[in-house]
Amino acid sequence: DVKVTQSSRYLVKRTGEKVFLECVQDMDHENMFWYRQDPGLGLRLIYFSYDVKMKEKGDIPEGYSVSREKKERFSLILESASTNQTSMYLCASSLYRANTGELFFGEGSRLTVL
Amino acid sequence: DQQVKQNSPSLSVQEGRISILNCDYTNSMFDYFLWYKKYPAEGPTFLISISSIKDKNEDGRFTVFLNKSAKHLSLHIVPSQPGDSAVYFCAAGGTYKYIFGTGTRLKVLA
Repeated sequence: DVKVTQSSRYLVKRTGEKVFLECVQDMDHENMFWYRQDPGLGLRLIYFSYDVKMKEKGDIPEGYSVSREKKERFSLILESASTNQTSMYLCASSLYRANTGELFFGEGSRLTVL
Repeated sequence: DQQVKQNSPSLSVQEGRISILNCDYTNSMFDYFLWYKKYPAEGPTFLISISSIKDKNEDGRFTVFLNKSAKHLSLHIVPSQPGDSAVYFCAAGGTYKYIFGTGTRLKVLA
């Protein structure tokens, strides 16, 4: 079974703090993604990566950066957290050109910024 | 500009009946269309997908229909079970990028 593990299920941070969200997958997938989920807005793509050290902006990259130094690990960084970044963050991975286009998701990290 | 839309935020269905969840999209270039199910405090789990070159895909109680001329996707669940109660997201994309709808909350009544 594919496993996508997110380092923290729940975090509480203060405005202005630097926040790291870590994601590790164990199936040698080329593609990795960070989404945020907000009520009424669905899942919105923040950043994705199709290879080590490669990254592409998604639909809402402002206020975020990412790092992919190893194939299995994709980190989301909030340089200076703000209250509007309070959300559920979901990491996902997929095979390059998978037949089904399937994404495998982690369980999510709920971040609250005070 | 929302490229993938789920216009019904919620749906209630009696156990044993058919559940039909709908999704509309605007971009003709999507290669795959997918449905995900999400329970509270868990990540979405993949349900079923369909390639843009097909118009139907079945997997047990779940069938996805794709109408390319109408740019419309639907998920049929037959028969519906109480354990199907969850939020369902449709998604569309290609090799790298997937765009999700806003979700439909399905409630199956026992």
